[in-house]
Amino acid sequence: GAGVSQSPSNKVTEKGKDVELRCDPISGHTALYWYRQRLGQGLEFLIYFQGNSAPDKSGLPSDRFSAERTGESVSTLTIQRTQQEDSAVYLCASSFTGTQGNEQFFGPGTRLTVL
Amino acid sequence: AQSVTQLGSHVSVSEGALVLLRCNYSSSVPPYLFWYVQYPNQGLQLLLKYTSAATLVKGINGFEAEFKKSETSFHLTKPSAHMSDAAEYFCAVDSSYKLIFGSGTRLLVRP
Repeated sequence: GAGVSQSPSNKVTEKGKDVELRCDPISGHTALYWYRQRLGQGLEFLIYFQGNSAPDKSGLPSDRFSAERTGESVSTLTIQRTQQEDSAVYLCASSFTGTQGNEQFFGPGTRLTVL
Repeated sequence: AQSVTQLGSHVSVSEGALVLLRCNYSSSVPPYLFWYVQYPNQGLQLLLKYTSAATLVKGINGFEAEFKKSETSFHLTKPSAHMSDAAEYFCAVDSSYKLIFGSGTRLLVRP
């Protein structure tokens, strides 16, 4: 019955390694979002997927970040050549549509630590 | 550009006291506004949202917020704090479809 799920819940990696974070949205939700939450800060928008439309990548902080979504299901966020400043909690959210005002349902997040 | 400011990174109240968490927004168009709560090691949960239907919005767990256009504010209140309200609270404005968040306010409830 599920809500949004994310895996892994925690990831520790060494600087320079690539990581892949996974998000399973709520079934039937066409819109999917990735946000980043640095320690003690609010959430920063990273990327938005809506159906088969081209994603809005305007929030991705560098070209080391990329994301894909297969149809209206699973999404993966990939960070290449990780840096210490990438350490954060990465939150995924989904909503029934991308219409303004729609509630976004959040997953529990993946805590990424780059050593 | 739209933005959100939350005054006070930490607010401490006694159990049973009034809770007031402040949020001011900047928007050139009528905004959609949200309050989310984040309990430790959990994702965000929607408390309430403003979508222009009514200026006083009631949410879950006894929280409510009032939209004041003249003050560009959307402060969150609860008449009587409970220990279980201790969490981090985020105000957000809907910018087309993505949410722009404030930096959050951590609510501490003293017994």
